[in-house]
Amino acid sequence: EDQVTQSPEALRLQEGESSSLNCSYTVSGLRGLFWYRQDPGKGPEFLFTLYSAGEEKEKERLKATLTKKESFLHITAPKPEDSATYLCAGLSAAGNKLTFGGGTRVLVKP
Amino acid sequence: NAGVTQTPKFQVLKTGQSMTLQCAQDMNHEYMSWYRQDPGMGLRLIHYSVGAGITDQGEVPNGYNVSRSTTEDFPLRLLSAAPSQTSVYFCASSQIGTGDYGYTFGSGTRLTVV
Repeated sequence: EDQVTQSPEALRLQEGESSSLNCSYTVSGLRGLFWYRQDPGKGPEFLFTLYSAGEEKEKERLKATLTKKESFLHITAPKPEDSATYLCAGLSAAGNKLTFGGGTRVLVKP
Repeated sequence: NAGVTQTPKFQVLKTGQSMTLQCAQDMNHEYMSWYRQDPGMGLRLIHYSVGAGITDQGEVPNGYNVSRSTTEDFPLRLLSAAPSQTSVYFCASSQIGTGDYGYTFGSGTRLTVV
C-alpha cells in the first residue's frame, strides 16, 4: 500500500527564518512526487512535480528536492503570505491516483 | 477559463437524505476524481474516472456513487447521508499520458450531516 508521511504537522516561523518541510514516501513505481499549497477554505494549488531522485525545482522562495525515499520543500526567507498548508503527494505506476500526506501547516509571523 | 467548478459550496443534510455534489471542468481533462478531506486524515480518494463511461473506486468509496456520462462532468452522489460523511469534498481533474500530471482542484464543498 502506498504511503506518504509529512513532518512536521505544523511549523511557526518568523519572517525571514528559512526552514524545510519533509515528505517521506513509499510509493510503488513512483511516477511523480507532487507539492501543493492549500489556503484556508480553498482547494489545493499545484506547485511542483518531481520525477527522479536528484531533481530540484524552484518557484520564488520555494525549492523542492527529491531523493529515493524523501522530498523536501525548502522555504527561503519566508514572508507572511507564504503561510498555508503544504501538501505532498505521490503518483504510483499503478494508475493515475495520487496518495497524499497529511500536510504541514506553515505560519509565518511578521 | 473556469477550471474545475464545484457546487454547492456549502450544504447541510439530515441523516438519511440524499444529494448530489456537482463537478464540472472545461479543460478537456480525461481524468477526474473525488477526494474528501478530514482533519488529521489528509485527502482520501473516493472515486475516480479515466474517461466518459469509466469509473473506479478509490480508498473510501462506501456510501458514494459516481457516473461519468460526459468528459466535462463527474457528479458524486450520497444515497443516504450519515454523520460520518461530514467533510470537505474536493473534485480534481488532470490530463492522462502527458507530462507534469498536475491535478487541478475545485474550491470544495463543505458538507455537514446532522
